[in-house]
Amino acid sequence: QKEVEQDPGPLSVPEGAIVSLNCTYSNSAFQYFMWYRQYSRKGPELLMYTYSSGNKEDGRFTAQVDKSSKYISLFIRDSQPSDSATYLCAMRRGTNAGKSTFGDGTTLTVKP
Amino acid sequence: GAVVSQHPSWVICKSGTSVKIECRSLDFQATTMFWYRQFPKQSLMLMATSNEGSKATYEQGVEKDKFLINHASLTLSTLTVTSAHPEDSSFYICSASWGALAPHSNQPQHFGDGTRLSIL
Repeated sequence: QKEVEQDPGPLSVPEGAIVSLNCTYSNSAFQYFMWYRQYSRKGPELLMYTYSSGNKEDGRFTAQVDKSSKYISLFIRDSQPSDSATYLCAMRRGTNAGKSTFGDGTTLTVKP
Repeated sequence: GAVVSQHPSWVICKSGTSVKIECRSLDFQATTMFWYRQFPKQSLMLMATSNEGSKATYEQGVEKDKFLINHASLTLSTLTVTSAHPEDSSFYICSASWGALAPHSNQPQHFGDGTRLSIL
């Protein structure tokens, strides 16, 4: 069983929809949680970075972390065609940035 | 704007060739950089941690002699795929996190745009 499980998708929504992307994990020691967006043939781009449980909002993006349930989510409001990409969740235990564990990614398509 | 620059973005070469990929941190010093490999529709696989001024730390199963890493300055790490073969074809991505205390920094990783390596 993988340490991080991500809803595989693919996910297709109409423009303007609210998108929910989710990951579950098994390691209760994870403390730092990240969401990355990856366009085709590009490197991952950091979207959200949170520590421990709680919510964080940045524009149309909201990240939620529920450590008691070992569950994290990324919400995208008013989705745009430019949001079409693969979204990766990532998490790590301590401050060693390299030792992040990544989900397999969810591919999102936003149709105009 | 980009904080990590990776070059080249795409390489096609013959089997047996050695290929060097550069990863640069822009406007910050990165004592540690990371090299990943990504297969189509799969997640990132950490290959090695590149440490400035010392030997790289390789993940289990990654051949040190095949994937040579040099981190000669605080802004540049290179990955050389030696005697590349078709099975080495993949998408290679580097990352770095800023912070004077990296890898013990609480800053997230920032990634380069990747290098698509195709070995014929």
